Amino acid sequence: DVKVTQSSRYLVKRTGEKVFLECVQDMDHENMFWYRQDPGLGLRLIYFSYDVKMKEKGDIPEGYSVSREKKERFSLILESASTNQTSMYLCASSFGTDGQPQHFGDGTRLSIL
Amino acid sequence: GENVEQHPSTLSVQEGDSAVIKCTYSDSASNYFPWYKQELGKRPQLIIDIRSNVGEKKDQRIAVTLNKTAKHFSLHITETQPEDSAVYFCAASRDGQNFVFGPGTRLSVLP
Repeated sequence: DVKVTQSSRYLVKRTGEKVFLECVQDMDHENMFWYRQDPGLGLRLIYFSYDVKMKEKGDIPEGYSVSREKKERFSLILESASTNQTSMYLCASSFGTDGQPQHFGDGTRLSIL
Repeated sequence: GENVEQHPSTLSVQEGDSAVIKCTYSDSASNYFPWYKQELGKRPQLIIDIRSNVGEKKDQRIAVTLNKTAKHFSLHITETQPEDSAVYFCAASRDGQNFVFGPGTRLSVLP
């Protein structure tokens, strides 16, 4: 069974802090994704990665960066956290071939005070 | 880019009745359409998907239909049960790897 693990379920940080969200998958998936989930807006793609050291901007990359130094790990970084980044963050991974479903982690509920 | 709309945003049905959720997409090149179920406090999980070369797919009480001409696809749940209560997300993809998600439908199955 695919396991996508996010390092924290709940996180509280202060405005201006640098925040790291970590995601690890154990299925040797090529693709990894970071979404944020807000009520009424569904899942919006922040960044994704097709391979180690590769990254592509999604629909809402502003204020975020990512790092993929190893195939199994994809990190989301909030360079200087702001209150409008309070949200649920979901990591997902999938195989790098067409029509493969994405497998999600449990999510990190991040609050920026 | 792709835009996915989903209706209704909330849906309440009596246990045993059917539920239908409809999604429309804008990119005619989209060819893969998964549906995810997210129970309260849990991760989204794939429940069914359909590819553009198929018009309908069924898995026990759930089915998905696709109309490529009209650019819409629908999720059908028959004989609904309380455990079907969740938020359902549709998604569309043109490359089979990157998805654009709909805003979600909160389904409540009333006993």
